[in-house]
Amino acid sequence: EIVMTQSPATLSVSPGERATLSCRASQSVRRSLAWYQQKPGQAPRLLIYGAFTRATGIPARFSGSGSGTEFTLTISNLQSEDFAVYYCQQYENWPPVTFGQGTRLEIK
Amino acid sequence: QVQLVESGGGVVKPGGSLRLSCAASGFTFSDYYMTWIRQAPGGELEWVSYISGSGDTVYYADSVKGRFTISRDNAKNSLFLQMNSLRADDTAVYYCLRPYYFDFWGQGTLVTVSS
Repeated sequence: EIVMTQSPATLSVSPGERATLSCRASQSVRRSLAWYQQKPGQAPRLLIYGAFTRATGIPARFSGSGSGTEFTLTISNLQSEDFAVYYCQQYENWPPVTFGQGTRLEIK
Repeated sequence: QVQLVESGGGVVKPGGSLRLSCAASGFTFSDYYMTWIRQAPGGELEWVSYISGSGDTVYYADSVKGRFTISRDNAKNSLFLQMNSLRADDTAVYYCLRPYYFDFWGQGTLVTVSS
């Protein structure tokens, strides 16, 4: 099973600034990596798939990068609605697909 | 538009059973593997089970193997999860999803296992 590790657990950033979230896989997942955003009381929402492709309707301030074992989600010009929990997920080797433990992005 | 609507959750005692259902629409259901993912109260997301489009191939997480059974009815565009011998650590919101990354989410159905 591929273990996904996200860092940091909590990230404090001011509105208008840039947030950088990291995700590491225990073995290569090539570019089979997705990012999700989850707000309280809601289901996760797909942001990025294929490591860097934005899902339908996702603003351009969200960008993904990386391949193999190291991935980054960058959120530029943070808006109030961006403060949430973010998860990464690999789907290269399944079953199982596996998720990171999440990064909480909070307002500084 | 793809829609996935889960139902069947509730409160059950340890050792009890529940059957979850998922009504799918907006896509050709039988063309897709389907999966159940659960999210524990602390936020951890865990894959539970997969089933192929025809229903002849299934996979289970080790944590549920032998206790849960996934099935589908392609004529009714429905996915099911029979959960037996439930334990406290099965408490979670259960989502049915179309793999392999998850672009459409329903509201989920909450399963609480408690005495």
